Amino acid sequence: DAKTTQPPSMDCAEGRAANLPCNHSTISGNEYVYWYRQIHSQGPQYIIHGLKNNETNEMASLIITEDRKSSTLILPHATLRDTAVYYCIVRASNFGNEKLTFGTGTRLTIIP
Amino acid sequence: DAGVTQSPTHLIKTRGQHVTLRCSPISGHKSVSWYQQVLGQGPQFIFQYYEKEERGRGNFPDRFSARQFPNYSSELNVNALLLGDSALYLCASSPGTGQGYEKLFFGSGTQLSVL
Repeated sequence: DAKTTQPPSMDCAEGRAANLPCNHSTISGNEYVYWYRQIHSQGPQYIIHGLKNNETNEMASLIITEDRKSSTLILPHATLRDTAVYYCIVRASNFGNEKLTFGTGTRLTIIP
Repeated sequence: DAGVTQSPTHLIKTRGQHVTLRCSPISGHKSVSWYQQVLGQGPQFIFQYYEKEERGRGNFPDRFSARQFPNYSSELNVNALLLGDSALYLCASSPGTGQGYEKLFFGSGTQLSVL
């Protein structure tokens, strides 16, 4: 699976949009971009994933650049409960492959 | 519906002992994976099981083993515990349809402390 690079930490004001960048310059054509987050003392929680089109769900939006070498996770209206470590993960869509390779993620702090 | 449940939530062992951690997947999920998370780092993949067969193994020593039961629950066993095995052990389940882009659902983990 391709390696990802994320900033170690970010702050965002409550109510504003949080934009979390991720670099995955060695991504292959069959690799998806996944985002998970981990709130303190809990297991990781799935947020969103995409291949090449932008995606949106009830939690967030995922913007993937045209060359697929980077992406941005957008939390449109951040709340204090969004304070967590956010992991950007690239994973191949091989049959039965469920291994996730986590990096150290971005620690997002929402400021009141 | 219940999520992924793990037991126990906390465990204290001494070096050299053996430990068994248990995981019950979400109802209907056939695939179970195990991860180790050391303080300050992201989770690291240990094993994946699907329909009682091992589908993947991470870079962990043979002291680590796992199995999956007919009801899809799973056990992770660690022998000859070392201080470095102290970590949060996470279990994740997925439907296991093999589509290659399924999302994983994680439990809250078992916090293992080795003294």
